[in-house]
Amino acid sequence: EIVLTQSPGTLSLSPGERGTLSCRASQSVSSSYLAWYQQKPGQAPRLLIYGASSRATGIPDRFSGSGSGTDFTLTISSLEPEDSAVYYCQHYGNSPRTFGQGTKLEIK
Amino acid sequence: QLQLQESGPGLVKPSETLSLTCTVSDGSISSSNYYWGWIRQPPGKGLEWIGSIYYSGSTYYNPSLKSRVTISVDTSKNHFSLKLTSVTAADTAVYYCARHQIYYVVQGAPPIPIYMDVWGKGTTVTVSS
Repeated sequence: EIVLTQSPGTLSLSPGERGTLSCRASQSVSSSYLAWYQQKPGQAPRLLIYGASSRATGIPDRFSGSGSGTDFTLTISSLEPEDSAVYYCQHYGNSPRTFGQGTKLEIK
Repeated sequence: QLQLQESGPGLVKPSETLSLTCTVSDGSISSSNYYWGWIRQPPGKGLEWIGSIYYSGSTYYNPSLKSRVTISVDTSKNHFSLKLTSVTAADTAVYYCARHQIYYVVQGAPPIPIYMDVWGKGTTVTVSS
């Protein structure tokens, strides 16, 4: 089973700043089968990024994903107040599909 | 626009079976382009993938739950279902259904479920006597 470790646990930044969220896998994620989801309180997760770097439909271009192998990054170039949420990475290269424990992003 | 809606009892007694259904609207569960999955989230915790099913009935299960989980599909009703047996308080969670995109790893072989691009709103299930 691939274990995904996200850091930091909590990130507190101001609007307009750049946010960098990390996801590290316990073993190589094949073919960059890595997705990022955003979850706001009381809501279902929303797909942001798939294939490590492809933005999902309707996702603003301030969200970008990068990385390969065991190290992946979600970057939010200029934070907006509505970006306050918990962000999860997930791999889907083999079974079981697992999620990271999440990074809580707070906008000051 | 495709919508998913979970339904089922909000309260289940310990040792009994949790049963949920996900109804697909404005889309067909019989499409060969998607898998359909279940994910859960205990209160205040992260996400756990439970399993996924293709319209043909092919399934993938999380090994940690496999002995207790059955996912089935009913194309005539355009829904798919989750059964989780012998529940305990640890099964208390919000249960989500979702649509997976698919990928053909090997041409000619069955596809695999990949990322989840459409989610239901979720339903809370509490296990308590």
